[in-house]
Amino acid sequence: DIQMTQSPSSLSASVGDRVTITCRASRSIASYLNWYQQKPGKAPKLLIYTSFTLEGGVPSRFSGSGSGTDFTLTITSLQPEDFATYYCQQTYNTPPTFGGGTKVEIK
Amino acid sequence: EVQLVESGGGLVQPGGSLRLSCEASGFKFTSYWMTWVRQAPGKGLQWVATMKQDGSERYYLGSVQGRFSISRDNARNSLYLQMNSLRDDDSAVYYCARIKGERGYLYSQGMDVWGQGTAVTVSS
Repeated sequence: DIQMTQSPSSLSASVGDRVTITCRASRSIASYLNWYQQKPGKAPKLLIYTSFTLEGGVPSRFSGSGSGTDFTLTITSLQPEDFATYYCQQTYNTPPTFGGGTKVEIK
Repeated sequence: EVQLVESGGGLVQPGGSLRLSCEASGFKFTSYWMTWVRQAPGKGLQWVATMKQDGSERYYLGSVQGRFSISRDNARNSLYLQMNSLRDDDSAVYYCARIKGERGYLYSQGMDVWGQGTAVTVSS
């Protein structure tokens, strides 16, 4: 199985901060990397697919980049509604695996 | 409104069975691969099973292979997960989700519609 490692596992940030979350695959997954946001007690929400394509309705402050084994999710100006847990997921190889999550908390 | 609604979760003893259901509305169910994802309490997301539009392809997480069975009834716009020989580590919230795009199981564009989840607790 391809292992997906996210870092950091948690971070504290303030409204307006730029936040970067990284996701590393144990082997190349080309650009088949998706990002989700999950708030407590809620289902995940697709933010970005195939590394950098923004899902419809997702604010442009979210962006994704990377290919191969290293990927990043960037939030350019953190908003109050962005405090949540973020997961990456690869769909290059079976089974499709998720990273362990990054919890973004209010500083 | 595009929607997925799960049901069927509950408390079951180890070794028992449950059948989860997911009813889709607001989109053409027959056009999409569908999947189940679970989340143990306080843990991350874990893919469980996926099924092609016409049921001709099914894929399972290794640890549930042979115990769980994914199925669908396109006439009822419904997806199911039959879970047998349940174990403590199957306890989780189970989400039904739609796979975005036409590529299907792999090389997909992620899961763009999710249900609210149904909780399964395996305990004696």
